[in-house]
Amino acid sequence: NAGVTQTPKFQVLKTGQSMTLQCAQDMNHEYMSWYRQDPGMGLRLIHYSVGAGITDQGEVPNGYNVSRSTTEDFPLRLLSAAPSQTSVYFCASSYSNGGGAETQYFGPGTRLLVL
Amino acid sequence: KQEVTQIPAALSVPEGENLVLNCSFTDSAIYNLQWFRQDPGKGLTSLLLIQSSQREQTSGRLNASLDKSSGRSTLYIAASQPGDSATYLCAVSNQAGTALIFGKGTTLSVSS
Repeated sequence: NAGVTQTPKFQVLKTGQSMTLQCAQDMNHEYMSWYRQDPGMGLRLIHYSVGAGITDQGEVPNGYNVSRSTTEDFPLRLLSAAPSQTSVYFCASSYSNGGGAETQYFGPGTRLLVL
Repeated sequence: KQEVTQIPAALSVPEGENLVLNCSFTDSAIYNLQWFRQDPGKGLTSLLLIQSSQREQTSGRLNASLDKSSGRSTLYIAASQPGDSATYLCAVSNQAGTALIFGKGTTLSVSS
């Protein structure tokens, strides 16, 4: 299994540009989520999904959009990039035992620089 | 609002020492708690998961405890090695089990 994969590894954007960060998992996990990691702020949840077709907002959703058309993929869209979105973005997935999410598996991250 | 605090923020120890990392959280209504390891420039690796009904979990030289009523968890690392040098993150899951709330981590340095 490849686990959780993210592309690209690194991206530079200009203010106002849009882009999509890709995330895929091959473990048939129901739960998928996006976090951003900033110095001094720790990791914060952006959006999450509990299954195909179901998404919800996390702590810091503004400026980001998500959709979940398949179990495997959970892309994160930046609608109009701002310097405040400069960060490292992590995608995670986990299975459920019928309750909530269990052990979370993280991807390697995407480093985004917005100029 | 759930807040997770990790103390100390940084820790330096000589090889072979046993050590304890601390995590506290403000709301005891959690689904589970996880400890992660993060190496510089890398993603997170799950070390241990403790369900809200459990008191501890062990994996090799690692032992994590959970006292939900007091809002505390500890990660005990036995016989530390230079390869243990990393940032250790504590995260609690909300009661629905849909979101993790992270502490800011403890950066551990083990010298040989």
